[in-house]
Amino acid sequence: EPEVTQTPSHQVTQMGQEVILRCVPISNHLYFYWYRQILGQKVEFLVSFYNNEISEKSEIFDDQFSVERPDGSNFTLKIRSTKLEDSAMYFCASRKGGSNYGYTFGSGTRLTVV
Amino acid sequence: AQSVSQHNHHVILSEAASLELGCNYSYGGTVNLFWYVQYPGQHLQLLLKYFSGDPLVKGIKGFEAEFIKSKFSFNLRKPSVQWSDTAEYFCAVNARDTGTASKLTFGTGTRLQVTL
Repeated sequence: EPEVTQTPSHQVTQMGQEVILRCVPISNHLYFYWYRQILGQKVEFLVSFYNNEISEKSEIFDDQFSVERPDGSNFTLKIRSTKLEDSAMYFCASRKGGSNYGYTFGSGTRLTVV
Repeated sequence: AQSVSQHNHHVILSEAASLELGCNYSYGGTVNLFWYVQYPGQHLQLLLKYFSGDPLVKGIKGFEAEFIKSKFSFNLRKPSVQWSDTAEYFCAVNARDTGTASKLTFGTGTRLQVTL
């Protein structure tokens, strides 16, 4: 069964440093998403991406965050200057098309900001 | 904007007990509904989903859920839980009329602990 692949599985970074989280969505999927889950809390939507542009973003997705799909396969989330409160599990998801299809989630990247 | 409420934050059951986890959503339009499971240290896995048709949907591992439109509910059930069902369960909704890229909105999750 096709999978969404995320790397790295765990990243530790110092406060103020830039991080890039990588995702390889399922190849024939058209819609891409980033979510985050702070430890013990619910899964929160960050951003959706379609046709090479952001479709929607949440309040969390401020100027410190950016996404891109540089080569048609990878989908990256960049945090320019990490803060302690950015520590969370970040999940990438992709979806084939239309509004009736299920979302496939990756296994996540645990980001720890120290 | 849509929202999801899961009223049970932590449920403890003995093996073979029946399970029902509540989920209510708030949205005025048409929605798709999902239940995801997250085993300790793992990613989200889809248990089942409802798009249309029969409001009683069956998923993997013996789980089922019933969509009751009048109550805005989508409760998850399993007749007899196993120790391996210990996990976090998330209800989620996406609104069909918010554009083609519509996001999933999650509830706060219910931690299920099954004891032997």
